[in-house]
Amino acid sequence: AQSVTQLDSQVPVFEEAPVELRCNYSSSVSVYLFWYVQYPNQGLQLLLKYLSGSTLVESINGFEAEFNKSQTSFHLRKPSVHISDTAEYFCAVTHTGGGNKLTFGTGTQLKVEL
Amino acid sequence: DAGVTQSPTHLIKTRGQHVTLRCSPISGHKSVSWYQQVLGQGPQFIFQYYEKEERGRGNFPDRFSARQFPNYSSELNVNALLLGDSALYLCASSWGTQNTEAFFGQGTRLTVV
Repeated sequence: AQSVTQLDSQVPVFEEAPVELRCNYSSSVSVYLFWYVQYPNQGLQLLLKYLSGSTLVESINGFEAEFNKSQTSFHLRKPSVHISDTAEYFCAVTHTGGGNKLTFGTGTQLKVEL
Repeated sequence: DAGVTQSPTHLIKTRGQHVTLRCSPISGHKSVSWYQQVLGQGPQFIFQYYEKEERGRGNFPDRFSARQFPNYSSELNVNALLLGDSALYLCASSWGTQNTEAFFGQGTRLTVV
């Protein structure tokens, strides 16, 4: 069985400041990792994913995440946040051969303030 | 191209009633998955269907059922509704079943009173 832990339920940050949203996972097999973003009253949008290869993955809007197998982590970072980044962020995991069954964390509410 | 479409967007039902939620995947996608997202929590996997066959089931009671049609659209049915079934129900479509990107719809907000 797999699990995902997002320790921070809320992260307030000022605009243009850096931010890190933490994600740790537990799995006995090789994993694929994802970050999804959810804006109010909307579905989930894929932000970035790690399937294989380079452990550092980037999104088109400045977010990046690094897969750390030894620490079983996949933290999401952005060097300078914008007010429009305010949303709920979910980390998710699936394992190789696991189909598309995603196991999600409980989410982190990122609130960017002026 | 249209994304994943779900209907209805909002729904209010009474305890004990039955509900049917619908999902149309992205054109060309053959797999549909359903998730339940209770307020304040992450989505929980309910079902996955591929080529009209059930390929995975989460830890939900038998009151929950689903099916996929020849055009790859899907229905999620919930019988004998409980207050605890109030949630956002998300449908995700993907091309296949092996770790291909899942695209989510806007969801159906179900309120059970």
